[in-house]
Amino acid sequence: NAGVTQTPKFQVLKTGQSMTLQCAQDMNHEYMSWYRQDPGMGLRLIHYSVGAGITDQGEVPNGYNVSRSTTEDFPLRLLSAAPSQTSVYFCASRGQDRGPGNTIYFGEGSWLTVV
Amino acid sequence: AQKITQTQPGMFVQEKEAVTLDCTYDTSDPSYGLFWYKQPSSGEMIFLIYQGSYDQQNATEGRYSLNFQKARKSANLVISASQLGDSAMYFCAMREASGGGADGLTFGKGTHLIIQP
Repeated sequence: NAGVTQTPKFQVLKTGQSMTLQCAQDMNHEYMSWYRQDPGMGLRLIHYSVGAGITDQGEVPNGYNVSRSTTEDFPLRLLSAAPSQTSVYFCASRGQDRGPGNTIYFGEGSWLTVV
Repeated sequence: AQKITQTQPGMFVQEKEAVTLDCTYDTSDPSYGLFWYKQPSSGEMIFLIYQGSYDQQNATEGRYSLNFQKARKSANLVISASQLGDSAMYFCAMREASGGGADGLTFGKGTHLIIQP
């Protein structure tokens, strides 16, 4: 079972560089999202998508772009990396049922360091 | 105001003892869900257990149970017969039905649980 797959797992960037974190899921989930986790904190929502072609901002969207061209993929782009974006990034997905009980499944995380 | 509060930054527990991890929440939405996730040192987020606001009984999943006290707005995770492999960060999270498309999944800051032999 692949579930939610993120790449790369580790990345070091220089300030000002751009990069894309890839996320793919094989569960035919409509909903996908990106979170970041900073030391001593829980996860915070960056962007989310409720289906192909539809994206919206979460709690901390600044400095990030997303797109959703297919149901399976939801890449997260850093256009000009800043040290404040050093974090662990998690991609997540869930099925279409928007009831509060629909479980969210997370990828294994991507450790990003911006120097 | 924080929506999810976990008051125990860290806990040390002897192996085979039961563990209770505290979680209180704040919402005015009558429909919501409460989740617990485990994050081992390898970093992945592992779903453990879910409790819905309208559920009449406390949720259980193997050694995990959720002590849901709706009037007190608390959703404590209970791990019975702790094992060394239970050492990890544990996060309480809530999704409010009114969260709409944003999913509304809000996390607490976590509790670092260490099981000692």
